[in-house]
Amino acid sequence: GQNIDQPTEMTATEGAIVQINCTYQTSGFNGLFWYQQHAGEAPTFLSYNVLDGLEEKGRFSSFLSRSKGYSYLLLKELQMKDSASYLCAVRVFSGGYNKLIFGAGTRLAVHP
Amino acid sequence: DAGITQSPRHKVTETGTPVTLRCHQTENHRYMYWYRQDPGHGLRLIHYSYGVKDTDKGEVSDGYSVSRSKTEDFLLTLESATSSQTSVYFCAISDPAGGYNEQFFGPGTRLTVL
Repeated sequence: GQNIDQPTEMTATEGAIVQINCTYQTSGFNGLFWYQQHAGEAPTFLSYNVLDGLEEKGRFSSFLSRSKGYSYLLLKELQMKDSASYLCAVRVFSGGYNKLIFGAGTRLAVHP
Repeated sequence: DAGITQSPRHKVTETGTPVTLRCHQTENHRYMYWYRQDPGHGLRLIHYSYGVKDTDKGEVSDGYSVSRSKTEDFLLTLESATSSQTSVYFCAISDPAGGYNEQFFGPGTRLTVL
């Protein structure tokens, strides 16, 4: 089966750093995505990893270890607008096409 | 932002009635997807399409059907709505030839089945 785990909720302070972890057990791994979703809105693409290592994009970084089935999203210099849910999604190749398997999401609350 | 619209944005209906949700894109992306999002479950794939008239089932397809007669439109139909289909429905598109082949999501449709 396909399984993706991430913490349900996290809290952090404005200006701080937070790390959101994601572990996965899937077949046919073909990349890992992080999406941000504000309450009542659509998910928006944040980052993509397919090789081991760290990908940095401004205040956001994402790390992947394929051998450990593990990824994290690192958010630096937190701002109030970063309060949102963060979705980890693994792309698998199944039935001849790529599909995304999503975790349940981590709801991050940033407080002053 | 990718040009994706969904209609209606909100709908309240009664058990047993048919419901059709529409997804419309202006990006000419080949792949289109329908997901539902429920608390504690994340996004789950209902059906997807990899071209006009080419569709296939996702992990939670029971009770749903889809049609794609044009590149830009992907319709999701609940033949006889049930309360368990109360959810937020998202459409997504992707281009297998573009970038990371990431999916872009529409604004969502909140469906309540009474």
